[in-house]
Amino acid sequence: AQSVTQLDSHVSVSEGTPVLLRCNYSSSYSPSLFWYVQHPNKGLQLLLKYTSAATLVKGINGFEAEFKKSETSFHLTKPSAHMSDAAEYFCVVSDLGSSASKIIFGSGTRLSIRP
Amino acid sequence: DAGVIQSPRHEVTEMGQEVTLRCKPISGHNSLFWYRQTMMRGLELLIYFNNNVPIDDSGMPEDRFSAKMPNASFSTLKIQPSEPRDSAVYFCASTPGRNSNQPQHFGDGTRLSIL
Repeated sequence: AQSVTQLDSHVSVSEGTPVLLRCNYSSSYSPSLFWYVQHPNKGLQLLLKYTSAATLVKGINGFEAEFKKSETSFHLTKPSAHMSDAAEYFCVVSDLGSSASKIIFGSGTRLSIRP
Repeated sequence: DAGVIQSPRHEVTEMGQEVTLRCKPISGHNSLFWYRQTMMRGLELLIYFNNNVPIDDSGMPEDRFSAKMPNASFSTLKIQPSEPRDSAVYFCASTPGRNSNQPQHFGDGTRLSIL
């Protein structure tokens, strides 16, 4: 069975400091993993994806994530937070196309940036 | 390039009324997804289509909900009769294919309020 756990519902950091948003997953298959960002009153926008290639994935706006199979984690990081990063972030696991054929969204992490 | 287009952006109606939400996927995308987002339950997949055929509708809450995709460029999600607990933001998303490694492109959503 698939599941996604975002370990923090809210993260607050100061502008210019590193960001860490944590995500753990479980899947019976070899899933694809994604991070999406949602700004207020907008749809979700893809930040980055992992699809069994390089374990360190670089995305847009300076974000990156590392796939660690042994820890079943896919944490999102950014070296230096910017005010415009304030948004909701979703970790997603997808088995679409396999016999499981599921896509599961995490519960989201709200990122706040302090001036 | 036009993204996924949803209409209306906002809908307010009284309980018992029929509600129809509309979605135009990105041209050339052959998979389409309907989601519901609420504070209590987060983002839930309701149904998804591939080549206009419903593949998985296990997320549709009950018989009051129905979705159609009469052609590759249009889909509707209908609620009849509507109830206050249906109040949520409904998102439509599309992808070029059916595989799990393809990111989804989201519309800006329809904010539905049932009084």
